[in-house]
Amino acid sequence: QKEVEQDPGPLSVPEGAIVSLNCTYSNSAFQYFMWYRQYSRKGPELLMYTYSSGNKEDGRFTAQVDKSSKYISLFIRDSQPSDSATYLCAMSAPQGGSEKLVFGKGTKLTVNP
Amino acid sequence: DGGITQSPKYLFRKEGQNVTLSCEQNLNHDAMYWYRQDPGQGLRLIYYSQIVNDFQKGDIAEGYSVSREKKESFPLTVTSAQKNPTAFYLCASSMKGIDEQYFGPGTRLTVT
Repeated sequence: QKEVEQDPGPLSVPEGAIVSLNCTYSNSAFQYFMWYRQYSRKGPELLMYTYSSGNKEDGRFTAQVDKSSKYISLFIRDSQPSDSATYLCAMSAPQGGSEKLVFGKGTKLTVNP
Repeated sequence: DGGITQSPKYLFRKEGQNVTLSCEQNLNHDAMYWYRQDPGQGLRLIYYSQIVNDFQKGDIAEGYSVSREKKESFPLTVTSAQKNPTAFYLCASSMKGIDEQYFGPGTRLTVT
């Protein structure tokens, strides 16, 4: 079983839709959770960072963590064509450094005008 | 304007040649990382460094080498020993002990 599982999609939605992106993980030691957005041929951009169960909101983006189910989600409200990108989840366990950041393989999202 | 720069954006080399990819950051970050990204594979860690003059192998270090002589710079050399060097290479940095990593724009290397 892979440490982090993420559905690669592709996911295609109409403009204005609510998008739900998800990752599951197997390592109960993971405590820090991140979502990155990567446009085609660009480097990933950090969108959200959280370390506790529950929701964290930033504008149209909401990150949700359920440690009991080992499941994290990113919700995008009122999706826009500019949200079309690949979304990567990432997570790590506290061990004195950030070298063990584990990434999902990414979900490709297309928002159609 | 703080950030991470990688150069060049595109790089073409013949098989058997070593090539060095540049990564510079002005974020005053202690730690720097090199990842390789292939379609369907996600990000794989090549090397990382948490302090000047020290670095550790990641999951796929074979065929690669790095140096960390300055805090701001972490160049990656792809040697002729790397069997499949064609890929998108990403450099990242973070404050030491902090998990949030910030990425550069990437270098796409093509070896023929």
